[in-house]
Amino acid sequence: AQTVTQSQPEMSVQEAETVTLSCTYDTSESNYYLFWYKQPPSRQMILVIRQEAYKQQNATENRFSVNFQKAAKSFSLKISDSQLGDTAMYFCAFMKDNNNDMRFGAGTRLTVKP
Amino acid sequence: DGGITQSPKYLFRKEGQNVTLSCEQNLNHDAMYWYRQDPGQGLRLIYYSQIVNDFQKGDIAEGYSVSREKKESFPLTVTSAQKNPTAFYLCASGRGAALRETQYFGPGTRLLVL
Repeated sequence: AQTVTQSQPEMSVQEAETVTLSCTYDTSESNYYLFWYKQPPSRQMILVIRQEAYKQQNATENRFSVNFQKAAKSFSLKISDSQLGDTAMYFCAFMKDNNNDMRFGAGTRLTVKP
Repeated sequence: DGGITQSPKYLFRKEGQNVTLSCEQNLNHDAMYWYRQDPGQGLRLIYYSQIVNDFQKGDIAEGYSVSREKKESFPLTVTSAQKNPTAFYLCASGRGAALRETQYFGPGTRLLVL
């Protein structure tokens, strides 16, 4: 079974600074998909970024980028120029190539301070 | 606007009562999913459906039932057999058949037991 671990229950960052959220996963699969979702106080889950394991290039979406280390099974999220609206729970998720089953980590609560 | 809607936003259940959570999508997605979220935990998969009239159990299906009579709708019933139903319930949809597509989430329903 796949497991996803987020080792930082809570983090904080000053506005305009950069923060990195950690995620590791355990799998024997060679191809899979990794995601970061944001859950603001409204509780709606919002996709932040997605990475296909077969792609070596790290995914980037505006201020959000990932550091995907396949051998280390690590998938960290970097948020640059943090904004107050980035305050939320962030969940790392894993999905196998041939399965609907998406596995989530326990989440990291990020607070951006003014 | 395209999207996923869930209703009600809050739902109260009495002991021994079955309640049904609604999930509707107009994204023309084949696949739909139900997740449960408890405090301090990630999301856990209850049921998913890849196509109309077909659905599969997730990790925590006991005490829940679903139906998929229409592509747009995937209601979840929390039965009296579910002894600890208090949680936040999230519905998601995705293109599914490719099994590699991102899942998009609705706003959620919070279920409380009276």
